[in-house]
Amino acid sequence: EVQLVESGGGLVKPGGSLRLSCAASGFVFSSYAINWVRQAPGKGLEWVSSISRGSDLIYYADSVKGRFSISRDNAKNSVYLQMNSLRAEDTAVYYCARPATGDGFDVWGQGTLVTVSS
Amino acid sequence: QSVLTQPPSVSAAPGQKVTISCSGSSSNVGTNYVSWYRQLPGTAPKLLIYENYKRPSGIPDRFSASKSGTSATLAITGLQTGDEADYYCGTWDTSLSAVVFGGGTSLTVL
Repeated sequence: EVQLVESGGGLVKPGGSLRLSCAASGFVFSSYAINWVRQAPGKGLEWVSSISRGSDLIYYADSVKGRFSISRDNAKNSVYLQMNSLRAEDTAVYYCARPATGDGFDVWGQGTLVTVSS
Repeated sequence: QSVLTQPPSVSAAPGQKVTISCSGSSSNVGTNYVSWYRQLPGTAPKLLIYENYKRPSGIPDRFSASKSGTSATLAITGLQTGDEADYYCGTWDTSLSAVVFGGGTSLTVL
């Protein structure tokens, strides 16, 4: 079964750090870029970051640029999102998502909740 | 404020047809493929449409989409109560070098 599973969410104080993981299974992980998309409580989808198959192309939303860092380990079939200098507005469910062969995201994880609060 | 503009809500009766619009600009919808997603409460989004109008396997032909210029439209026919969900459009924005989504449209089947 093609699957993405996020982990690492939790409660963190403003200014703190958290590292999210996205574990893939059921497909050739190294053949796909991976993205992070978040959704604040009661709000819409917000793209966060993407990393290409070989980690040579990396993009960030302006809202997280300079604070978040994406990386991947193809040997471990995993993508990571290092989140530093967290703010209350970073509170959201974070999803990792795989781009479809054509376009769009065809595989999503179940999400992991990050809460930034004192 | 989302880069892509969707109506906050739409509604229609069971069995009827509803359309959801997605308005963008030349740097996103006007240039790149549009995809559509459905999100049921408490669940991850699900891909309904990719490359403007194509349906992944398993998505019924009640769902269709089109694009013209800087706007895209999702149409759902034969509405069912199970179609009540939030719907999002998304695409790549060449100027921003970012994926952008619409603000989402809540569909109510009356």
